[in-house]
Amino acid sequence: SQTIHQWPATLVQPVGSPLSLECTVEGTSNPNLYWYRQAAGRGLQLLFYSVGIGQISSEVPQNLSASRPQDRQFILSSKKLLLSDSGFYLCAWSKGAGLEQYFGPGTRLTVT
Amino acid sequence: GESVGLHLPTLSVQEGDNSIINCAYSNSASDYFIWYKQESGKGPQFIIDIRSNMDKRQGQRVTVLLNKTVKHLSLQIAATQPGDSAVYFCAENRYTGNQFYFGTGTSLTVIP
Repeated sequence: SQTIHQWPATLVQPVGSPLSLECTVEGTSNPNLYWYRQAAGRGLQLLFYSVGIGQISSEVPQNLSASRPQDRQFILSSKKLLLSDSGFYLCAWSKGAGLEQYFGPGTRLTVT
Repeated sequence: GESVGLHLPTLSVQEGDNSIINCAYSNSASDYFIWYKQESGKGPQFIIDIRSNMDKRQGQRVTVLLNKTVKHLSLQIAATQPGDSAVYFCAENRYTGNQFYFGTGTSLTVIP
């Protein structure tokens, strides 16, 4: 069976500091990978998705970036965090576009 | 108990009763829908999905109904249990794309 991991689970970072969140998937190959952000009381906002190694599509312009250095690894980064970057970050995978997406446990980021 | 999607974000039901959670979508091009359950502090969990060539699909204790004429989706939970307490999201997909569009969700509370 497939599993998806995210770490860290929680993170408190000062404004202006860098960020690196990691997501890995087990039990499948060549998945589509996604990064979402969920603000309190709001729906999920798609930030990035990837259909293969090194292939990143950005949905929302911002100070975040994503990378996919390995088939089952997806990283969300920032060089300088803003207060508005606080939120719950979710990684998801699917077998392809338009197919069901499965979410990881999430990372709670608080920028102070 | 019954909710009206985004306009009634909370729903309380007695344990053992049936729950109905509603979702209205706006784009007639949406052709694939998923219901997710999200417990506090966790990632969304896939419950059930339905494609636009169907109007009903059943799972274990859950049924999804799709009315394309009025662009309405509902999730019915039979014999609601305390473990069903969570926020429930509908998500819609168009043209087999990578992007799913999520509602803000309905918070279900089961009263023992």
